Amino acid sequence: DAGVTQSPTHLIKTRGQQVTLRCSPKSGHDTVSWYQQALGQGPQFIFQYYEEEERQRGNFPDRFSGHQFPNYSSELNVNALLLGDSALYLCASSLAASGNTIYFGEGSWLTVV
Amino acid sequence: AQTVTQSQPEMSVQEAETVTLSCTYDTSESNYYLFWYKQPPSRQMILVIRQEAYKQQNATENRFSVNFQKAAKSFSLKISDSQLGDTAMYFCAFMMSADKVIFGPGTSLSVIP
Repeated sequence: DAGVTQSPTHLIKTRGQQVTLRCSPKSGHDTVSWYQQALGQGPQFIFQYYEEEERQRGNFPDRFSGHQFPNYSSELNVNALLLGDSALYLCASSLAASGNTIYFGEGSWLTVV
Repeated sequence: AQTVTQSQPEMSVQEAETVTLSCTYDTSESNYYLFWYKQPPSRQMILVIRQEAYKQQNATENRFSVNFQKAAKSFSLKISDSQLGDTAMYFCAFMMSADKVIFGPGTSLSVIP
């Protein structure tokens, strides 16, 4: 049973560019959440997707957007990249019906230069 | 809004000894979940232990146990017989059912041979 998988593992982008990160949830899970973890800090909630819609959102600008597909996989898009967007981006999946166990992927390291 | 505080940025323990990591949180809710996550240098977020707020009994998982004091809003993690592989960042986290996870700032634990 595959856990939460994320791609790419590492990437480097230039300031002003756009990036797309991908996530496949754990088998059987229908809810995907995205977190940003800056170096030396705890993860911060970006948004959560369920039934292909954004269910809730953290305190992140509109440059951060997402999508959930019918197979429950998800994408995180960040436009107009800033140096401060450099971070580890974690995807987490869960089952809405139980909702009490969150599984995390290994993350995507984004470096903005 | 819920908050999670970890007052110990760094801790160290001798191999085979016991260490306790502290965590306090703030919420006006009565039903919620508390977690301890371990994040080794690989940055994979690994669930160590979970506690449901409605359960009075403290959760245990092998060498890991918690001291959950609901009235005091305290949730400490005790690691017994510390092993070198326990060296990692430890995050205390709070979650309402199927909601976002709110993380504390983390405690860096070093196990000394």
